[in-house]
Amino acid sequence: EAGVAQSPRYKIIEKRQSVAFWCNPISGHATLYWYQQILGQGPKLLIQFQNNGVVDDSQLPKDRFSAERLKGVDSTLKIQPAKLEDSAVYLCASTTVGRADSPLHFGNGTRLTVT
Amino acid sequence: AQSVTQLGSHVSVSEGALVLLRCNYSSSVPPYLFWYVQYPNQGLQLLLKYTSAATLVKGINGFEAEFKKSETSFHLTKPSAHMSDAAEYFCAVSDQGFQKLVFGTGTRLLVSP
Repeated sequence: EAGVAQSPRYKIIEKRQSVAFWCNPISGHATLYWYQQILGQGPKLLIQFQNNGVVDDSQLPKDRFSAERLKGVDSTLKIQPAKLEDSAVYLCASTTVGRADSPLHFGNGTRLTVT
Repeated sequence: AQSVTQLGSHVSVSEGALVLLRCNYSSSVPPYLFWYVQYPNQGLQLLLKYTSAATLVKGINGFEAEFKKSETSFHLTKPSAHMSDAAEYFCAVSDQGFQKLVFGTGTRLLVSP
């Protein structure tokens, strides 16, 4: 089966600019996640979707970050305006719904550098 | 709140030596526990998971982990390290009621010839 697809792989922007990341999960996976991984740290959950509804966005900085999952498939994560501390790898993951022990399948991530 | 603590941000071993990566969890309910591996410039890949079926869990690439409730630990081991095992390893915990992983800070495994 095809894995989780993310684009772009790399992005360099200046602070205060905006940026968007795209994710296409594994076919049939209803649950989709965006994680932020800062260098030297473990991934931190930003937002969790189930189909096209938000399950958890408690750690999403909503003043600058937004995410959507139209039609319950693809998802985009946007940052506007970006800050230096947003430099990180943004990982998208997906899994089947309904089982808390279902492993997450991760994409290769988008590495964002804010200068 | 659930959390995991990984002791040692870096672990160095020689090829052929035992690998031991430590993970301790904090959870108010019986957790699900996972180990993921991340190779450079790649996403995370599942190594193994504990879901209460058996305390000793075998995963891919010869790795295994043992769940010890009395020690709140889920350490990852491999009898003989290979150069290809060099990567970052993350322990993660999930509450039974939620599909949400909380990750540790990771341990970078270095393997020398």
